[in-house]
Amino acid sequence: QVQLVQSGAEVKKPGASVKVSCKASGYTFTDYYIHWVRQAPGQGLEWMGWINPHSGDTYYVQKFQGRVIMTRDTSISTAYMELSSLRSDDTAVYYCARDPLRFPYYYMDVWGKGTTVTVSS
Amino acid sequence: DIQMTQSPSSLSASVGDRVTITCRASQSISSSLNWYQQKAGKAPKLLIYAASSLQSGVPSRFSGSGSGTDFTLTISSLQPEDFASYYCQQSYSTLRTFGQGTKIELK
Repeated sequence: QVQLVQSGAEVKKPGASVKVSCKASGYTFTDYYIHWVRQAPGQGLEWMGWINPHSGDTYYVQKFQGRVIMTRDTSISTAYMELSSLRSDDTAVYYCARDPLRFPYYYMDVWGKGTTVTVSS
Repeated sequence: DIQMTQSPSSLSASVGDRVTITCRASQSISSSLNWYQQKAGKAPKLLIYAASSLQSGVPSRFSGSGSGTDFTLTISSLQPEDFASYYCQQSYSTLRTFGQGTKIELK
């Protein structure tokens, strides 16, 4: 079945980097965008950006530009989100989600279970 | 950026109640509006896309309406499994944005 399997929880110190993976299965990886969304404890959903697995093109929210890099490895159908210069307020659950690109309507129809990233000294 | 404002932020309801959640966009987004349900400790789940299209497998008690700037999500008869948080999200702009969420709690 279609699924996105994310990597396990991470604990990082302030100033470090974290790289979260999202492995797709059950569909053609390059046919769907991958979005990254995060959720701080007790807070709402915050969209971070997307990657086009076919071309590698990316779009990042300005807030994260310079700190986030989204990449993919098509040979293993996996997308990655790397966030650097971590701060305590980056503590959150990070989700990947796919977008079937049904022009002109776009939505996130399959989600990973989330990866908890804790930033603490 | 397109701002999405949901109301109410929370509501108390009983099983069987009809519930309506509103989402307003800061500019016209045509019908590029999606609704997600999130239960505690779980990933969000797509309910409605393109303002009114029901995602496959989602019960028909969920419905969406609206276009332009004003949208609603309606649950016709609240079931025990519907107590959760709900988020709207616009996909009109390349920069996607979510509403702040509405939590439905048991009265």
